[in-house]
Amino acid sequence: RKEVEQDPGPFNVPEGATVAFNCTYSNSASQSFFWYRQDCRKEPKLLMSVYSSGNEDGRFTAQLNRASQYISLLIRDSKLSDSATYLCVVKWDTGFQKLVFGTGTRLLVSP
Amino acid sequence: NAGVMQNPRHLVRRRGQEARLRCSPMKGHSHVYWYRQLPEEGLKFMVYLQKENIIDESGMPKERFSAEFPKEGPSILRIQQVVRGDSAAYFCASSQQGGGTEAFFGQGTRLTVV
Repeated sequence: RKEVEQDPGPFNVPEGATVAFNCTYSNSASQSFFWYRQDCRKEPKLLMSVYSSGNEDGRFTAQLNRASQYISLLIRDSKLSDSATYLCVVKWDTGFQKLVFGTGTRLLVSP
Repeated sequence: NAGVMQNPRHLVRRRGQEARLRCSPMKGHSHVYWYRQLPEEGLKFMVYLQKENIIDESGMPKERFSAEFPKEGPSILRIQQVVRGDSAAYFCASSQQGGGTEAFFGQGTRLTVV
């Protein structure tokens, strides 16, 4: 089983749609969770951290379910500029602080 | 506060040559990660370093690849005797000491082996 798994997509949605991505992780010792965004041929950029109680940043909402070992990202009112690959990232804090990336979910928002 | 700086941005090497990729972390960051991304694929962890220490190199190929993060100067990822399959984007990220802190990425070095 992969350490961090994501549906690669692509998710094709029209502008204004709501879209959700899930990500599962295998290591129950994982302590920190993030969503990164990567545009084509660019470096990944932090979108948001994911907190146990869930958190929201504008149109973006992140949720964490420790019991089921998954995190989610919800994007409301999709914009064309949201088209990118969304990377789920898990940090193991078992002495090390290894960042483990999922392979990413590709989102395409069309007019 | 400059971000994570990687150089060169683009590197072309002939098969059999050596490639040296440099990464200067953000100011105040003492943790460095190297990742490789093949075309149309995800980021693959290679190595995690702190100053003068390799913490986790479980993602590094056993041969030809090495990494260091000296007390002074940038972190270096070194690839000896490059082969065509080494062509990829190599990203470096840095984070502050302490758990739960996010990492910030450099713009990457695109290595092309011809």
